[in-house]
Amino acid sequence: AQTVTQSQPEMSVQEAETVTLSCTYDTSESDYYLFWYKQPPSRQMILVIRQEAYKQQNATENRFSVNFQKAAKSFSLKISDSQLGDAAMYFCAYEESKLVFGQGTRLTINP
Amino acid sequence: GAVVSQHPSRVICKSGTSVKIECRSLDFQATTMFWYRQFPKKSLMLMATSNEGSKATYEQGVEKDKFLINHASLTLSTLTVTSAHPEDSSFYICSASEWTVSNQPQHFGDGTRLSIL
Repeated sequence: AQTVTQSQPEMSVQEAETVTLSCTYDTSESDYYLFWYKQPPSRQMILVIRQEAYKQQNATENRFSVNFQKAAKSFSLKISDSQLGDAAMYFCAYEESKLVFGQGTRLTINP
Repeated sequence: GAVVSQHPSRVICKSGTSVKIECRSLDFQATTMFWYRQFPKKSLMLMATSNEGSKATYEQGVEKDKFLINHASLTLSTLTVTSAHPEDSSFYICSASEWTVSNQPQHFGDGTRLSIL
């Protein structure tokens, strides 16, 4: 079974600084999708960024970018110029036929 | 963008009551919807995959008779928690994918907080 591991239960960063959230996964498949979702206190799941495994180029969405290392099965999220509104739980997720989530990382932004 | 509406957002009821939660795709059609459960400070756990016009596929350990799923149309799936007990208290979230567009990410509802007294 596929598993997703986020080894950082909590992270904090100073406003305007850069932070990287780690994620590793385990799969025997070659074609799949990886996601980072944000869950603020409102509990709504918000898609941050998406990566297709067959694409070597790392996905970017404005201040959010990923470092996708397929051989190492690693998928980290970098948030540049952190803003107070970025504070939330961040979940890494793997999808081949269904979504499997990591345990989550709580990100705190210090003003 | 694609919107998924989940209702109600909060339910408080007595033990033994059955509770129905609705998940609607507002501006797209979804042949498949997913139901998740999230415990406090924990991750989302997939409970079942809801397929329009057919039986739901339940994950291991999820009681089919306890959590009834109906997906009668391309825009609506319902989860009924039958004879709810305090241990069923949790946050339930649904999601849906657009069937006409391949490889689209799931869109999530806002979730339902269920509290059984």
